[in-house]
Amino acid sequence: DTAVSQTPKYLVTQMGNDKSIKCEQNLGHDTMYWYKQDSKKFLKIMFSYNNKELIINETVPNRFSPKSPDKAHLNLHINSLELGDSAVYFCASSQRPTNTGELFFGEGSRLTVL
Amino acid sequence: QQQVKQSPQSLIVQKGGISIINCAYENTAFDYFPWYQQFPGKGPALLIAIRPDVSEKKEGRFTISFNKSAKQFSLHIMDSQPGDSATYFCAASFGTSGSRLTFGEGTQLTVNP
Repeated sequence: DTAVSQTPKYLVTQMGNDKSIKCEQNLGHDTMYWYKQDSKKFLKIMFSYNNKELIINETVPNRFSPKSPDKAHLNLHINSLELGDSAVYFCASSQRPTNTGELFFGEGSRLTVL
Repeated sequence: QQQVKQSPQSLIVQKGGISIINCAYENTAFDYFPWYQQFPGKGPALLIAIRPDVSEKKEGRFTISFNKSAKQFSLHIMDSQPGDSATYFCAASFGTSGSRLTFGEGTQLTVNP
């Protein structure tokens, strides 16, 4: 019974294509996130939503657009994919947007842009 | 700008030994310091966390030591086991950051049997 699930787990695509990653959490949390982990394993926050409202929007190209249809789902759409977008994208959730809350991460979606 | 610096990048320890990973931070507003553990093919998972009002926190074989004046904190893994082999990330955040965790670069720990 997965708490934070992401699909797909692997994505291989050509430069210029558009792709989406979906995330769902069944923990009843209000806050969800997208993190990017690069080839050196560095983790950086991209976006955060609290109860469907965008609360964190880091410096990310406009080609990345998150969407939260409800508080249990957070999707990430990427337009015009570039080589540098290759990374593992992690969805996470927390009970609320406090700084002491535990983040629960999904297993990641590995995106490879050729 | 890397606000949380972590070292070493990789660490090899024998079974039963002590693993020590260090982190230093710059932003004095940080007031929450968690450590996350990541196994290959999995997402990071919270291991242990500390607030700056205490100098040490212990949970089983895992201990965080915190030095506020030096702006440093470290993770000690006592009696390291092969099952501890993973990537460890320190992180930091502050009250108004809304769970915007700033992660260190990660340490790849290998515990040899």
